[in-house]
Amino acid sequence: AQSVTQPDIHITVSEGASLELRCNYSYGATPYLFWYVQSPGQGLQLLLKYFSGDTLVQGIKGFEAEFKRSQSSFNLRKPSVHWSDAAEYFCAVGATGTASKLTFGTGTRLQVTL
Amino acid sequence: GAVVSQHPSWVICKSGTSVKIECRSLDFQATTMFWYRQFPKQSLMLMATSNEGSKATYEQGVEKDKFLINHASLTLSTLTVTSAHPEDSSFYICSAIGGVENIQYFGAGTRLSVL
Repeated sequence: AQSVTQPDIHITVSEGASLELRCNYSYGATPYLFWYVQSPGQGLQLLLKYFSGDTLVQGIKGFEAEFKRSQSSFNLRKPSVHWSDAAEYFCAVGATGTASKLTFGTGTRLQVTL
Repeated sequence: GAVVSQHPSWVICKSGTSVKIECRSLDFQATTMFWYRQFPKQSLMLMATSNEGSKATYEQGVEKDKFLINHASLTLSTLTVTSAHPEDSSFYICSAIGGVENIQYFGAGTRLSVL
């Protein structure tokens, strides 16, 4: 069975600083990987996804993620964080295709200081 | 883009009553929808997979008789929490498979508080 680990429960960065959120997955074949963001009391918004091809994926709101098969990682990055980026970030893996059910990590709460 | 609407956004009910939550795909048809449950400051846990025109597939440990799922059309799935109790209080989120890339799009969630 697939699994996702987000080692950092809570991260605090200053506005304008760079950000990297870690995600490690466990799955035998090529996974379908996703990053979602959730604001308090809201549903999930898709930031970006990786299915195949270029391992560096660009998403919305200036986010990018890099798929590294050798490290089983799919870390999320942003060069310069804005205060509005404060939210909960979830990494997820799907096993059987784009429409498969997802296994989510435990999430990383991002706090941005001004 | 693909939009999923979930209603209501917040519901308070008395213990022992039943509550129905609706999940609608507004601009696409979804043969498959998912229902998740999220406890405070925790991740999403898949409850069940809802397939249009057939019975839902429940994850291990989820009570089928407690959480009734109906997917009667290509744009609507409903989750009914029957005989709700305080321990059923949670944030319930649905998603629907669709759009150009055939991926999951999520609703805004429903906060259920059982008194």
